[in-house]
Amino acid sequence: GENVEQHPSTLSVQEGDSAVIKCTYSDSASNYFPWYKQELGKRPQLIIDIRSNVGEKKDQRIAVTLNKTAKHFSLHITETQPEDSAVYFCAASIDADKLIFGTGTRLQVFP
Amino acid sequence: ETGVTQTPRHLVMGMTNKKSLKCEQHLGHNAMYWYKQSAKKPLELMFVYSLEERVENNSVPSRFSPECPNSSHLFLHLHTLQPEDSALYLCASSQGVSGGFSLYEQYFGPGTRLTVT
Repeated sequence: GENVEQHPSTLSVQEGDSAVIKCTYSDSASNYFPWYKQELGKRPQLIIDIRSNVGEKKDQRIAVTLNKTAKHFSLHITETQPEDSAVYFCAASIDADKLIFGTGTRLQVFP
Repeated sequence: ETGVTQTPRHLVMGMTNKKSLKCEQHLGHNAMYWYKQSAKKPLELMFVYSLEERVENNSVPSRFSPECPNSSHLFLHLHTLQPEDSALYLCASSQGVSGGFSLYEQYFGPGTRLTVT
């Protein structure tokens, strides 16, 4: 079955700096890669996703890149703000209903 | 009430108890999910239901028994749990289509914090 690895497990950045979180997946048939953000004590929420027919997708300060050959994808957050502090989960799936999540990255943005 | 709701929000139970977790979605979705979130293995998929039919059982012990009476409601029946089952149990829903799955966002509920003593 699918296995998703996520790094780093914790990431601390200064406000205004960029943050990058990387994930690798094992099943080459996976075609959907969402990123979820979970603030402390709150539910996970989708922030961006990418399909396998696209190499990059951007939404304001957030971007995701996908390298199908290497089977890895990354989340990029630019101009980080304190409200970006949260746990970020990547996931991969063949069908979007059976998401396999990474272990999460705790991002802390210091003012 | 909108979105995905879960009750109870907190539950403490002994290993011999029987309890049930309830999830309700008000989004008109056709697919519902149970996840277990713990410190050791965040966000583990447990069960998937599409149009009230179970389509995935991710090697979950039989002490967890799901039930989906209709597309808006999902239950997780618990019995003879172990302390290692203590975790946050999250329900989610998404819009699926019959005969296949479109690629849609999953909406999570707030979770039930379960403690097994």
